[in-house]
Amino acid sequence: AQSVAQPEDQVNVAEGNPLTVKCTYSVSGNPYLFWYVQYPNRGLQFLLKYITGDNLVKGSYGFEAEFNKSQTSFHLKKPSALVSDSALYFCAVRGPNSGGYQKVTFGTGTKLQVIP
Amino acid sequence: NAGVTQTPKFRILKIGQSMTLQCTQDMNHNYMYWYRQDPGMGLKLIYYSVGAGITDKGEVPNGYNVSRSTTEDFPLRLELAAPSQTSVYFCASSYGGEAYEQYFGPGTRLTVT
Repeated sequence: AQSVAQPEDQVNVAEGNPLTVKCTYSVSGNPYLFWYVQYPNRGLQFLLKYITGDNLVKGSYGFEAEFNKSQTSFHLKKPSALVSDSALYFCAVRGPNSGGYQKVTFGTGTKLQVIP
Repeated sequence: NAGVTQTPKFRILKIGQSMTLQCTQDMNHNYMYWYRQDPGMGLKLIYYSVGAGITDKGEVPNGYNVSRSTTEDFPLRLELAAPSQTSVYFCASSYGGEAYEQYFGPGTRLTVT
């Protein structure tokens, strides 16, 4: 069974500082990994994904994530945080196609608070 | 291009009542999904569809039903509402399966009392 863990319920960072939101996963085979962001009272919005290729993935709004197969991690990063980055962030994983639809498993979310 | 739209935005139901949550997408996506989001629990898949006329159960299908008569629409039916169905419901769609990102609607906040 596949699973994803976001070990921090909340991350606080000062505006202008680098931010990291952590994600680890467990899946058989090569994973498909996603990050989504949710602003208050809104649906989730796609940020970036890793399917194959370069381990460093760049996405929307200046975010990037690094796929680390040995550590089974896919941490979300941004060099300089903005107050407007404050939101709920979800990591998600999907296993490879094994003959049927493979659902995506979402983490429980990490609340990012950027302090002015 | 409206993306994924959901109606209603809010609803209060009494125990035992029924209702349909509407979902429409205008991106010609084949795959559509219904999730529920409970505080601290992430998203749980209720039902999904890989194309018109094809639906299947997700992780938490009990108490719900779906249909997919067109590519655009994927309504979720709640029969005999229970307090445990109090949640925020999100509809989503994607062009394809595993490697494709999902596009989410704005959600429906449902309270069952």
